[in-house]
Amino acid sequence: GAVVSQHPSRVICKSGTSVKIECRSLDFQATTMFWYRQFPKQSLMLMATSNEGSKATYEQGVEKDKFLINHASLTLSTLTVTSAHPEDSSFYICSARNWREGYEQYFGPGTRLTVT
Amino acid sequence: RKEVEQDPGPFNVPEGATVAFNCTYSNSASQSFFWYRQDCRKEPKLLMSVYSSGNEDGRFTAQLNRASQYISLLIRDSKLSDSATYLCVVNDLKERDTGTASKLTFGTGTRLQVTL
Repeated sequence: GAVVSQHPSRVICKSGTSVKIECRSLDFQATTMFWYRQFPKQSLMLMATSNEGSKATYEQGVEKDKFLINHASLTLSTLTVTSAHPEDSSFYICSARNWREGYEQYFGPGTRLTVT
Repeated sequence: RKEVEQDPGPFNVPEGATVAFNCTYSNSASQSFFWYRQDCRKEPKLLMSVYSSGNEDGRFTAQLNRASQYISLLIRDSKLSDSATYLCVVNDLKERDTGTASKLTFGTGTRLQVTL
């Protein structure tokens, strides 16, 4: 089946620093990758959608200058949380899809970010 | 009104019980529907798609009522391993400046705890 990896799985950083999270599709080409955020006891909230080779489309209320997304290849997307603050502490999950093969999204295992 | 609404639970049931989860969605133009399962601190995993005619996968039965904008999941003969949060997910096509995009919207989930 389709496998998506994320790295790192957990990260603790100090307030004001930047953190980069990688999302890779291991056995398929991801024409589209999605970044979600999930706070405790809440649903997954879509942050942005990125198509390979083009700029990401951000959901309303998500600051594009704070959450930098790069999708330079068909197997890799990165999310950089710039100048992280404690309120950015959350579970960040990516998913990937090849639109030629349908709507199903394959989720990565998530990255738990804690900003101290 | 939330786009996808679910009873948060928790549902505490004994092993072997039958349990039903309900979900309503607000966008009448929604395209496709899914149930995902999410274990604690893990990524969501697709449990099953939901079709208009209703569909069954082993102990799991999903139903969709487009007129009422209502989705259900029935679990028969509950197992301890069924304990998880069940997420109702709706796929919408949204018009954007950059074209039409497919987007998954997640409910907050219903927590199930199966006990001995």
